[in-house]
Amino acid sequence: EAGVVQSPRYKIIEKKQPVAFWCNPISGHNTLYWYLQNLGQGPELLIRYENEEAVDDSQLPKDRFSAERLKGVDSTLKIQPAELGDSAVYLCASSTGLAHNEQFFGPGTRLTVL
Amino acid sequence: GDSVTQMEGPVTLSEEAFLTINCTYTATGYPSLFWYVQYPGEGLQLLLKATKADDKGSNKGFEATYRKETTSFHLEKGSVQVSDSAVYFCALSSIFGNEKLTFGTGTRLTIIP
Repeated sequence: EAGVVQSPRYKIIEKKQPVAFWCNPISGHNTLYWYLQNLGQGPELLIRYENEEAVDDSQLPKDRFSAERLKGVDSTLKIQPAELGDSAVYLCASSTGLAHNEQFFGPGTRLTVL
Repeated sequence: GDSVTQMEGPVTLSEEAFLTINCTYTATGYPSLFWYVQYPGEGLQLLLKATKADDKGSNKGFEATYRKETTSFHLEKGSVQVSDSAVYFCALSSIFGNEKLTFGTGTRLTIIP
């Protein structure tokens, strides 16, 4: 069974540029999460989807961040414009959505903003 | 809100030593508790979990017991190996509200041959 796929694995951009990250969850997983992991910290939730609906985006900085999951499968997270402080690892995870069920994580995208 | 406090790292041990990584939590209701591991260059992987008080999660020689009275979920292994070198994250998932994971800051473990 294929795991959660993310691309790109690494991205270097200059500040004020836009950037997008892509995630393909495990087949059949209805719930998709985007987490932000700063250096030396644990991941923090940005947004959670149940199918195509964003059910928790309370931690997403909506002035510059946006996300979509149009067909309830793949998802894209966008930052426009990027700031220096956005340098971090962006993790995508998926699960079946059942209570207490395991979340499966992708390898992440490491973003460096210069 | 929910929070997880994890033992500060880094931790360096010799092979075959006993390992304990402390984890305590604050949460409303009865959370599920998890240990995730991140090996170099890889994504987070679930190591073990416990969903109710007094449950013991175990995997690959690692164990952790859900202690409601002390709000703790300490990770232990009797004899560590070089291959256990990784970053370990304690996390909780509350049944109130959403099913997001709240993580600790992680503990980097290095095992020396």
